[in-house]
Amino acid sequence: DTAVSQTPKYLVTQMGNDKSIKCEQNLGHDTMYWYKQDSKKFLKIMFSYNNKELIINETVPNRFSPKSPDKAHLNLHINSLELGDSAVYFCASSRQGLNTEAFFGQGTRLTVV
Amino acid sequence: SQQGEEDPQALSIQEGENATMNCSYKTSINNLQWYRQNSGRGLVHLILIRSNEREKHSGRLRVTLDTSKKSSSLLITASRAADTASYFCATDPNTGFQKLVFGTGTRLLVSP
Repeated sequence: DTAVSQTPKYLVTQMGNDKSIKCEQNLGHDTMYWYKQDSKKFLKIMFSYNNKELIINETVPNRFSPKSPDKAHLNLHINSLELGDSAVYFCASSRQGLNTEAFFGQGTRLTVV
Repeated sequence: SQQGEEDPQALSIQEGENATMNCSYKTSINNLQWYRQNSGRGLVHLILIRSNEREKHSGRLRVTLDTSKKSSSLLITASRAADTASYFCATDPNTGFQKLVFGTGTRLLVSP
């Protein structure tokens, strides 16, 4: 019973391609996030959605487009992939409101060649 | 950058010893959280301390928070080899909605 699941776990693709990462949570949470972890292990928030509405967009290039069909899903679509997009992408969810912990998926390691 | 900093960047100890990691941050916060990341895995929440709290315990973990110095520490007592992981602090800035800003992480190696 994985709480936050992402697919695929690994993604290797060529520059210029378009790819999607899917995320689903079965915790009943209202808020979902995408984080990016670079090669130096720095974690940075990209997007936050609350009840399917975009709350945070941290100056991410518009090649990245999140989509939330319902509050249990937050997918990430990336157009025209670049070498610098190579990273581990984590989906997370939390209850709505402040002072709540986040639950993370296992991550998707994206390698752009 | 809002990103916090942790020190040390890496820590190597023997089983049974205590491990202390420090975190500094830059903005006012609602809370500060600590997460563990095992190699190649996602992050696991360890403990949350609110801005009006100064110390919190959970099992072998002890967290302190000094909002005047914008710093926190995580103490793991009686460490075990299974504690080997990267540890991240994350602050929730006072922005009106949940947004975790992660520190740079401390890599802990506990040798048997």
